[in-house]
Amino acid sequence: DVKVTQSSRYLVKRTGEKVFLECVQDMDHENMFWYRQDPGLGLRLIYFSYDVKMKEKGDIPEGYSVSREKKERFSLILESASTNQTSMYLCASSYAEADANYGYTFGSGTRLTVV
Amino acid sequence: QKEVEQNSGPLSVPEGAIASLNCTYSDRGSQSFFWYRQYSGKSPELIMFIYSNGDKEDGRFTAQLNKASQYVSLLIRDSQPSDSATYLCAGTDSWGKLQFGAGTQVVVTP
Repeated sequence: DVKVTQSSRYLVKRTGEKVFLECVQDMDHENMFWYRQDPGLGLRLIYFSYDVKMKEKGDIPEGYSVSREKKERFSLILESASTNQTSMYLCASSYAEADANYGYTFGSGTRLTVV
Repeated sequence: QKEVEQNSGPLSVPEGAIASLNCTYSDRGSQSFFWYRQYSGKSPELIMFIYSNGDKEDGRFTAQLNKASQYVSLLIRDSQPSDSATYLCAGTDSWGKLQFGAGTQVVVTP
């Protein structure tokens, strides 16, 4: 089974801190994604990447950046954490094939609280 | 405008009954559709995918796709309390990314 591992299950950070959320997948997937999920708002795409060193903005990239130096690792960075970034953060990966899509595999999520 | 629409629920289903979840989508280019189950406080897990018109069955789950009417549905037969969760519908966009609905909460009552 594909495994997507997020480094922390719960995090508490202070306003203004730089926060790193790490995600590692072990099945050589090309595509990786970062979402945040808030009650009533569903899953919102922050950034995604189709290959090493590639990154694309999703629907809500403001206040975030990403890094993908290795194929298996996709990091989400909160440059200066704010209380409105308190959320559940979900990483996902998927296999890329021209004529098929097998869906995403999600990590277990990181619940981030900014105080 | 949301591209994938679901009723938020909650959908209350007696134990042993059939739960019927519906999803509509606006992107006629969507090719593949997915149903995810998400327990409270957990991450989504894939339970079904479908890309051809018609029905696809997997155990107690049946996914139905009608591309002409742009809807996808999920039936859960013999509903169990362990089926109580939020079910997310997703369809692919033109880039192959998944567009998620907001989810339908299902509550199975004993």
